[in-house]
Amino acid sequence: GDSVTQMEGPVTLSEEAFLTINCTYTATGYPSLFWYVQYPGEGLQLLLKATKADDKGSNKGFEATYRKETTSFHLEKGSVQVSDSAVYFCASSGGGADGLTFGKGTHLIIQP
Amino acid sequence: EAGVAQSPRYKIIEKRQSVAFWCNPISGHATLYWYQQILGQGPKLLIQFQNNGVVDDSQLPKDRFSAERLKGVDSTLKIQPAKLEDSAVYLCASSLEGERGQPQHFGDGTRLSIL
Repeated sequence: GDSVTQMEGPVTLSEEAFLTINCTYTATGYPSLFWYVQYPGEGLQLLLKATKADDKGSNKGFEATYRKETTSFHLEKGSVQVSDSAVYFCASSGGGADGLTFGKGTHLIIQP
Repeated sequence: EAGVAQSPRYKIIEKRQSVAFWCNPISGHATLYWYQQILGQGPKLLIQFQNNGVVDDSQLPKDRFSAERLKGVDSTLKIQPAKLEDSAVYLCASSLEGERGQPQHFGDGTRLSIL
């Protein structure tokens, strides 16, 4: 079946550092790809998405590009802030309104 | 726009007891999902409804879990009898139907502890 693998945490960075969280997927067909974020004490929120190869999703300074050749959807941000501290989940969906397959999550800690 | 509503927020029961969770999706969202999130893991899909019909329940442990969405709006998820391994956060999500890549909107979840 489908699966999503993302780098284990916690990831600890200093404010203004560059962030990369790796995510790779296995799926039959061409899934849609998502990054969700869970801030402390809050529910899961969609951060960004991409629905086809070479699409780039972006939001709040975060970006991720759908790479079909490497089956990857790595999350990047050029300069992180303390407020970015959260758990980040990479997820895939088979298509239409299919359920999501999630990675295990990466806990990001940004120190001032 | 009101978000996905879930209740209760927390529930503590003993093993072998039964428990039920309730979810009200965003108005107009035809698709409703229940996920189980065990501590330290990502959410796992349990069941997906399209209006009041089940689309996917392949990962639902049907010997003890059941779910319904009788009028195509709110939904209940039940566990009977509960086991220790059912301790988790149960998340409800909803989305508009049809379009590829439609995002899912999540509720705050119900945290279940089994003693």
